[in-house]
Amino acid sequence: EPEVTQTPSHQVTQMGQEVILRCVPISNHLYFYWYRQILGQKVEFLVSFYNNEISEKSEIFDDQFSVERPDGSNFTLKIRSTKLEDSAMYFCASSVQASGEQFFGPGTRLTVL
Amino acid sequence: ELKVEQNPLFLSMQEGKNYTIYCNYSTTSDRLYWYRQDPGKSLESLFVLLSNGAVKQEGRLMASLDTKARLSTLHITAAVHDLSATYFCAGWNSGNTPLVFGKGTRLSVIA
Repeated sequence: EPEVTQTPSHQVTQMGQEVILRCVPISNHLYFYWYRQILGQKVEFLVSFYNNEISEKSEIFDDQFSVERPDGSNFTLKIRSTKLEDSAMYFCASSVQASGEQFFGPGTRLTVL
Repeated sequence: ELKVEQNPLFLSMQEGKNYTIYCNYSTTSDRLYWYRQDPGKSLESLFVLLSNGAVKQEGRLMASLDTKARLSTLHITAAVHDLSATYFCAGWNSGNTPLVFGKGTRLSVIA
């Protein structure tokens, strides 16, 4: 069964460093999303991406964040200068249509020291 | 703006008992999703509810949707330990592509 994959599963970084989180969405899906979940809290939307551009973003997704689809399979989230409060689980999701069910990857746990 | 509220946030149940988790939402939601999350794991899709009166069942879990009351419920029948997890509901409407999640209900089933 096709699934969303994410790498790495755990990333530890120093405050101020750049990190890139990688996702491979399900191959025939066209809509891609990043969500984050701070430990013990709810899942929050960051950004959605369609047709090689951002379609929506939340207030959390400030200038420190960027997304890219560098090739036909990968979808990346870059945090330019990490802060302690960026520590969270980051989930990638994809769907066939904007109205379609979103399938989530296993997540990347980001720890900023 | 769609907002989603779940209650209770914490639920400790004895094995064999029944209970219901409630999910209220603030504005029109074209779809309502229920997800399960085990500690440190991803979100597993349980149910997608599309229309008023929709009811779906899988094993000991049953989800329903009342769009007029803006309420979805997740009913647990004869709980077993394996159901211990956090359950999230999430709303979606056509004016907004991302899912809006509730805070989750942490369910603990004890013997």
